[in-house]
Amino acid sequence: DPKIIQKPKYLVAVTGSEKILICEQYLGHNAMYWYRQSAKKPLEFMFSYSYQKLMDNQTASSRFQPQSSKKNHLDLQITALKPDDSATYFCASSWGGAVQNTLYFGAGTRLSVL
Amino acid sequence: QEKVQQSPESLIVPEGAMSSLNCTFSNSASQSIWWYQQHPGKGPEALISIFSNGNKKEGRLTVYLNRASLHVSLHIRDSQPSDSAVYLCAVSMIPGGNYKPTFGKGTSLVVHP
Repeated sequence: DPKIIQKPKYLVAVTGSEKILICEQYLGHNAMYWYRQSAKKPLEFMFSYSYQKLMDNQTASSRFQPQSSKKNHLDLQITALKPDDSATYFCASSWGGAVQNTLYFGAGTRLSVL
Repeated sequence: QEKVQQSPESLIVPEGAMSSLNCTFSNSASQSIWWYQQHPGKGPEALISIFSNGNKKEGRLTVYLNRASLHVSLHIRDSQPSDSAVYLCAVSMIPGGNYKPTFGKGTSLVVHP
């Protein structure tokens, strides 16, 4: 059974619309992350949360807003979608934020913006 | 901002051969280096990590870290078709206390029978 559930697996949106990407982890981890993977680009760090508090934000745009309603949830709201937002978005989690900690990834949500 | 470069971009080896993947990073103060494996349509999965200069062996995997040359390599002994995947190098340090590993673009490995 997958321990990090991302929904939906595929998402098609029109330019200017708003979408929410869902992430739930059942590993008991206290740290959660969002990464983005675009074609020809490396996995790009977006956000990190620890105990439901924002720790780091590397996104330049306020159109990307993480939302943590429960300690094992970290959703990603994207507003005013643009074609450049097309990518696969990965949620990850770890035991705290120490360098020795393994990141565990979900299967990703592939977003296409038309 | 940490920079991570991986080479080669792609690698094709016959079954049973040794696969060697390279990764260079920009900051000698980097605390940890991880190698992840990513199959198509899946999320990355951690394989092996190294924190100290030298080498570490786990099963068919060996990783070598040389902080002076800012270089880490992953070697897969007796490569199998099931090893075919993209291999990602991830480097992390904690300036200011936030953990955010930086990934390279990856090496696509194909092991043909």
